[in-house]
Amino acid sequence: QVQLVESGGGVVQPGKSLRLSCTATGFTFSDFAMHWVRQPPGKGLEWLAVVSVTGQNDFYADSVKGHLTISRDNSKNTLFLQINSLRYEDTALYYCARGRGYSYVGFDFWGQGSLVTVSS
Amino acid sequence: QTVVTQESSLSVSPGGTVTLTCGLTSGSVTTDNYPSWYQQTPGQAPRTLIFSTKFRSSGVPDRFSGSILGNKAALTITGARTEDDCDYYCVLYLGSGSGISVFGPGTKVTVL
Repeated sequence: QVQLVESGGGVVQPGKSLRLSCTATGFTFSDFAMHWVRQPPGKGLEWLAVVSVTGQNDFYADSVKGHLTISRDNSKNTLFLQINSLRYEDTALYYCARGRGYSYVGFDFWGQGSLVTVSS
Repeated sequence: QTVVTQESSLSVSPGGTVTLTCGLTSGSVTTDNYPSWYQQTPGQAPRTLIFSTKFRSSGVPDRFSGSILGNKAALTITGARTEDDCDYYCVLYLGSGSGISVFGPGTKVTVL
């Protein structure tokens, strides 16, 4: 069955960088666009970015453009999110989500999330 | 800046019907925004309910239905159950090759 498992979260100091991973199993990873979504504690969901099936195209929410980088390694069935110059407001549970085929529209399966806490 | 709107909270009696809406601060929601809906219970990852306006995701009960009502997307729960008491988020695709999606702020549905 489809599984998405995020990793790489933790407690990080402001200004540092972090790379989250999302390992996919149970489907042909290279056939699906992939997304990152985050949720600050006690708050709503925020769409962050999507990467195309090949990894050649990526799109970002205006609020995080230039701050985050989404990428993928289809040979390893893994999605990444690089967060640079971490800020307190980056504290959140980060979810990866599978897109609906090659389309950038919508998500179907979700991981359980990886918690990033920015703290000095 | 495009902002997605949702009711902050709604209540419904068990067995009753409730409609949640998803709008835009500028313009109307159409099928070209491919509205989708997600359910989230406390401490859990979101679950996909509806995609592309009206199509139910696999395993979603048919008491959940999606549509366009006027200038907004809508999620209707018909025959609400106590387990439907949780948060619901809509997502709109801004399209035009932007690749950008935007979540609404979420609606807390209370079944009592």
